[in-house]
Amino acid sequence: DAKTTQPPSMDCAEGRAANLPCNHSTISGNEYVYWYRQIHSQGPQYIIHGLKNNETNEMASLIITEDRKSSTLILPHATLRDTAVYYCIVRVAVKDNYGQNFVFGPGTRLSVLP
Amino acid sequence: DGGITQSPKYLFRKEGQNVTLSCEQNLNHDAMYWYRQDPGQGLRLIYYSQIVNDFQKGDIAEGYSVSREKKESFPLTVTSAQKNPTAFYLCASSANWGGAYNEQFFGPGTRLTVL
Repeated sequence: DAKTTQPPSMDCAEGRAANLPCNHSTISGNEYVYWYRQIHSQGPQYIIHGLKNNETNEMASLIITEDRKSSTLILPHATLRDTAVYYCIVRVAVKDNYGQNFVFGPGTRLSVLP
Repeated sequence: DGGITQSPKYLFRKEGQNVTLSCEQNLNHDAMYWYRQDPGQGLRLIYYSQIVNDFQKGDIAEGYSVSREKKESFPLTVTSAQKNPTAFYLCASSANWGGAYNEQFFGPGTRLTVL
């Protein structure tokens, strides 16, 4: 799986959009970008994933650059409860690949400030 | 409600003792995983199981053992051979079908402290 690079920490004002960047310059054509987050002392929570098109769900939006070498997770209106460590992961998602693990790096610690 | 449960939430053990961490899921997932997390670090894979009665070592399997006798259960034993067992342990599961939607679902974790 491709390696990802994220800033170690970021701050965001409550109610503003939080934009979390991720670099994955060695990503392969069949690797998806996944985002998880982990609130203190809890298990990681799935947020969103994508291949090459931008994706949006009830939690966030994922913007992937055209060359797929980087992506941005957007939390449109950050709340205090969004304070967490956010992990960007790239991995292959093909049929019968169910046994492959996710590689969680140190992630970005997002602090939403009142 | 479907999900993954881990018990206990906090666990204390004396040095030299084996201890077993429980992980149960009712999501009907074939694949299950154990991760270890140290303070300020990402997750590291200990063991994973793709199907009942089968499991493989992850990146840091030394000092740990697992079993997968039932689809719903994947207990992890931390043995006395594990040199630094104090950590936060996370269990996860994923569906056995491939494609983009086989994300992992995590339990709440067990914090193990060796005294």
